[in-house]
Amino acid sequence: KAGVTQTPRYLIKTRGQQVTLSCSPISGHRSVSWYQQTPGQGLQFLFEYFSETQRNKGNFPGRFSGRQFSNSRSEMNVSTLELGDSALYLCASSTGGTQYFGPGTRLLVL
Amino acid sequence: KNEVEQSPQNLTAQEGEFITINCSYSVGISALHWLQQHPGGGIVSLFMLSSGKKKHGRLIATINIQEKHSSLHITASHPRDSAVYICAVLANAGGTSYGKLTFGQGTILTVHP
Repeated sequence: KAGVTQTPRYLIKTRGQQVTLSCSPISGHRSVSWYQQTPGQGLQFLFEYFSETQRNKGNFPGRFSGRQFSNSRSEMNVSTLELGDSALYLCASSTGGTQYFGPGTRLLVL
Repeated sequence: KNEVEQSPQNLTAQEGEFITINCSYSVGISALHWLQQHPGGGIVSLFMLSSGKKKHGRLIATINIQEKHSSLHITASHPRDSAVYICAVLANAGGTSYGKLTFGQGTILTVHP
């Protein structure tokens, strides 16, 4: 089976812009979780989707949002970008057990 | 205090040495993950544990639920084991934790030839 894919892999944006990141889970996986990794805060949970419903949400401002489509693909959106949003954004898919991580999208906000 | 604490934060070893990384957590959990992250960012899930011990090749993971502690052991370490090892827990919150992992700060392992 193909692994988890994320697009784009690298992205440069300026403050105030918005960005959409995409995650395609492993075929058959209905759960997709999103994480942010920064040097200062480490890995932090953003949100988790299952069958198009957000089941859980981390402690991030409302500028961070996501959705999941009927084919389990997921997108996350960050509006009004801030310098502190520069990070590696990882998604992971699972069938309820082991999480399989994608390669991540590295976002740089200038 | 973080819910998940790892030690040591940095670990340097010579090839062939036995390595142990520890993880302590303060919440009730339904599962604990050990993850490996290489430079460049890719994360690989090594183990998911809810009790006892698991072994895969030279890697062994153990968990003691009563003591809220887990260890990751690497036998006969090799330079290719150099990576960041991350402990993550899935809190047991009455079935609402789902995919919400809480992570330790990671242990940077460097194995010299």
